Amino acid sequence: AQSVAQPEDQVNVAEGNPLTVKCTYSVSGNPYLFWYVQYPNRGLQFLLKYITGDNLVKGSYGFEAEFNKSQTSFHLKKPSALVSDSALYFCAVSSSNTGKLIFGQGTTLQVKP
Amino acid sequence: NAGVMQNPRHLVRRRGQEARLRCSPMKGHSHVYWYRQLPEEGLKFMVYLQKENIIDESGMPKERFSAEFPKEGPSILRIQQVVRGDSAAYFCASSPPGQGSEKLFFGSGTQLSVL
Repeated sequence: AQSVAQPEDQVNVAEGNPLTVKCTYSVSGNPYLFWYVQYPNRGLQFLLKYITGDNLVKGSYGFEAEFNKSQTSFHLKKPSALVSDSALYFCAVSSSNTGKLIFGQGTTLQVKP
Repeated sequence: NAGVMQNPRHLVRRRGQEARLRCSPMKGHSHVYWYRQLPEEGLKFMVYLQKENIIDESGMPKERFSAEFPKEGPSILRIQQVVRGDSAAYFCASSPPGQGSEKLFFGSGTQLSVL
């Protein structure tokens, strides 16, 4: 069965510091991996995806993620956090090229000034 | 090119009433997906539709829930005889044919509150 785990309910970082939001997955076959961000009372905004190719994926707003096949991880990173990055972040996986995604529980990112 | 449009943004129903949630996909997108987000949880897949066809409804509750995507008009998620546990945010997403994961766009959601 496919699954996604985001082990941290909340991540707190100071503005200007690097941030990491963790995600591990379980899927049969090659994974399609995604990160989305959700601001309060808003829909999901796409940040980045890994389908194939380079393990390091660069996305919107300076975010990047590294696909690690041996550790089945796809952690989201940013070198220097902004207060405006504070939001709810979701990792998602699919085993096929359809829009049927399995989402993690979400991680709340708090960036303090 | 407008994004995925969902309406209403907020819907309040009393127990036992019907709820109808609408989703207009992006222009050129013929595939629609519905997801539900319960409080403090991630999104859960409900149903995948193409025009006039239900492709995958493995995430739909067995009773009271139905979905359609007619040849003309928006996709409709219908919940009959709502109960308090149906209170959630319902998100629609759309994609063009053959690119479901790669070009998936989400609407802003409908927040359903059941009194």
